[in-house]
Amino acid sequence: EPEVTQTPSHQVTQMGQEVILRCVPISNHLYFYWYRQILGQKVEFLVSFYNNEISEKSEIFDDQFSVERPDGSNFTLKIRSTKLEDSAMYFCASSEWDGRRDTQYFGPGTRLTVL
Amino acid sequence: AQSVTQPDIHITVSEGASLELRCNYSYGATPYLFWYVQSPGQGLQLLLKYFSGDTLVQGIKGFEAEFKRSQSSFNLRKPSVHWSDAAEYFCAVGNQGGKLIFGQGTELSVKP
Repeated sequence: EPEVTQTPSHQVTQMGQEVILRCVPISNHLYFYWYRQILGQKVEFLVSFYNNEISEKSEIFDDQFSVERPDGSNFTLKIRSTKLEDSAMYFCASSEWDGRRDTQYFGPGTRLTVL
Repeated sequence: AQSVTQPDIHITVSEGASLELRCNYSYGATPYLFWYVQSPGQGLQLLLKYFSGDTLVQGIKGFEAEFKRSQSSFNLRKPSVHWSDAAEYFCAVGNQGGKLIFGQGTELSVKP
C-alpha cells in the first residue's frame, strides 16, 4: 500500500540554525500538508499546498517557515532560524483531492529537537 | 470558531470491554469528521470518516462512530477492546480549505 515517507525521523539542531524536513507524498496525490505536534499537545495545522502554491497557512506559519515542492516527488518544510519552541513532531500529509472531503494520509513524522 | 473537543484525556478499559471515546465539534456548515489513531512512535492512521449519508460509519479494526448533528458529536465506539488498541485517538474536523482541526486526543490504556 502506498505511504507517505518522511526524513529524517529525528533531527537535532542548535537554535538559530536552518533545518529542512523532507517528505515524499503518495505519488498520485495533489494536495500536501504540514502539521506539527508539540509534546503533550494537539496536532496543529501549519500549511496546505496545491498546484505549487500555498492554499492556506496558520498563524504559526510565519516568515521563518517555507514550503517547496522542488521536484515531482519531494515536499519540504524549511525553518530558517529555529527557536526552542519549534521543537515538536512534524507530520507531512497528502491527499488525492481536497483534504476536507478526502482522506489525508500521514507520514510517520520527524521529531525536531532544538537545543 | 471551528474547534474539536475530546473531553477525556485518558481512559482505561479492560480487555474485552466496550469502549466509547467522546468527540464534540463546533463547525458552522456540514462537518466532515475523522477519527485517527496514533500508536507510540507512529504517524496518524485513519480509522474512519464521515462525509454524508448514514450517520453510523464503520471503520477499520472493528471501530465505528455515530454522527449526531443535534449533539454536535461524533463518538467512537468498539464493542470489545483488544490490548493492541492501546494508543492515542484523535478526532478531527475538516474545514473549507481542507485543513484538519484536531482535538486534544484521548489516550487509551487497556488492562489485561
